[in-house]
Amino acid sequence: GESVGLHLPTLSVQEGDNSIINCAYSNSASDYFIWYKQESGKGPQFIIDIRSNMDKRQGQRVTVLLNKTVKHLSLQIAATQPGDSAVYFCAENIPYRGGADGLTFGKGTHLIIQP
Amino acid sequence: NAGVTQTPKFRVLKTGQSMTLLCAQDMNHEYMYWYRQDPGMGLRLIHYSVGEGTTAKGEVPDGYNVSRLKKQNFLLGLESAAPSQTSVYFCASSNSKNQPQHFGDGTRLSIL
Repeated sequence: GESVGLHLPTLSVQEGDNSIINCAYSNSASDYFIWYKQESGKGPQFIIDIRSNMDKRQGQRVTVLLNKTVKHLSLQIAATQPGDSAVYFCAENIPYRGGADGLTFGKGTHLIIQP
Repeated sequence: NAGVTQTPKFRVLKTGQSMTLLCAQDMNHEYMYWYRQDPGMGLRLIHYSVGEGTTAKGEVPDGYNVSRLKKQNFLLGLESAAPSQTSVYFCASSNSKNQPQHFGDGTRLSIL
């Protein structure tokens, strides 16, 4: 079936640089997208979300971009800090899926911050 | 702030045993969810609930049952545990559809 996927399993960046984590989705019916950060031994932590009627949304140090034409989602983290090291998941809500309101998650990207 | 609390945090079971995982949220959220997370995979939805007294199947419901007798609690049951159910189980809650889901810190379950 259709699912959310990640372009790279591991991303290594220098501290202070900007990070871009990419996500490809294949379901054009998805109407809601969300990024989570997961640190070792903890549950996913909400970062930022975006609805399908938008193409950009900004938060504190983070920006999510949605390109529905190519079904692509990205998370940009500005001035990466050591505390940003984690696994990042994108997830989508597929509205036709029997009304289920659970999210479909990608496999995750491990962001490593180099000192 | 407690948010979403899961108990227990760790558990080891033998094949065929039963157990119940408890999830409690103090945010007055209507929606609650159970996911499992396996190595190299994202979270997969097991069951969910859109309100007290309601439950519905997710992506991987077989071998699990759930109950939502109180709005703040969502229970996940394994009637006869199998090694394939070894996983990390996460509970989440949200205000409604297309709202951020807030997760607990997980229950690490091993079935021998």
